[in-house]
Amino acid sequence: AQTVTQSQPEMSVQEAETVTLSCTYDTSESDYYLFWYKQPPSRQMILVIRQEAYKQQNATENRFSVNFQKAAKSFSLKISDSQLGDAAMYFCAYMALGDDKIIFGKGTRLHILP
Amino acid sequence: KAGVTQTPRYLIKTRGQQVTLSCSPISGHRSVSWYQQTPGQGLQFLFEYFSETQRNKGNFPGRFSGRQFSNSRSEMNVSTLELGDSALYLCASSQPGLINEQFFGPGTRLTVL
Repeated sequence: AQTVTQSQPEMSVQEAETVTLSCTYDTSESDYYLFWYKQPPSRQMILVIRQEAYKQQNATENRFSVNFQKAAKSFSLKISDSQLGDAAMYFCAYMALGDDKIIFGKGTRLHILP
Repeated sequence: KAGVTQTPRYLIKTRGQQVTLSCSPISGHRSVSWYQQTPGQGLQFLFEYFSETQRNKGNFPGRFSGRQFSNSRSEMNVSTLELGDSALYLCASSQPGLINEQFFGPGTRLTVL
């Protein structure tokens, strides 16, 4: 069975600094997608960034980038120039190719210190 | 384009009752998935519907059921509510043909007393 593990329940970062959230996963599949979702206090789940496993190049979306290490089954999220609006719960997630079932990690609560 | 909508946003029920939650997907999306979010268990997949058929089901008891209508709107039903069913229920819709990127609704907060 596929699993997603986030080992950091909470993290804090100073505004304008850079922070990296860790995620590891386990799967026997070779084709899959990985995601980072953000859930602010409003509870609305927002997709931050996604990575297709067949792509070696790490995905980037503005201040958000990932470090995808397929052999190590690691998928970390780097947030640069942290902003107060980045404060939220961040979930790492996995989805097998052709599936609609997302498997989520337990989440990392990110605090931004002004 | 309107996002995924869920109704009601908040619900309070007592043990033993049943509840029905509704989810309207983004226009054109035919797949709807449901998730339960609790502090202890995190986010867990309940089931997924596509063209009125359940395609995938998570590890939940039979008290949890769902359906999808011809307009892709979906309902989720929980019968004989238990205290442990208190959770945020999220639905997500996706459009076939893409990488199944799922768009989430704001959720329904269910409290069972």
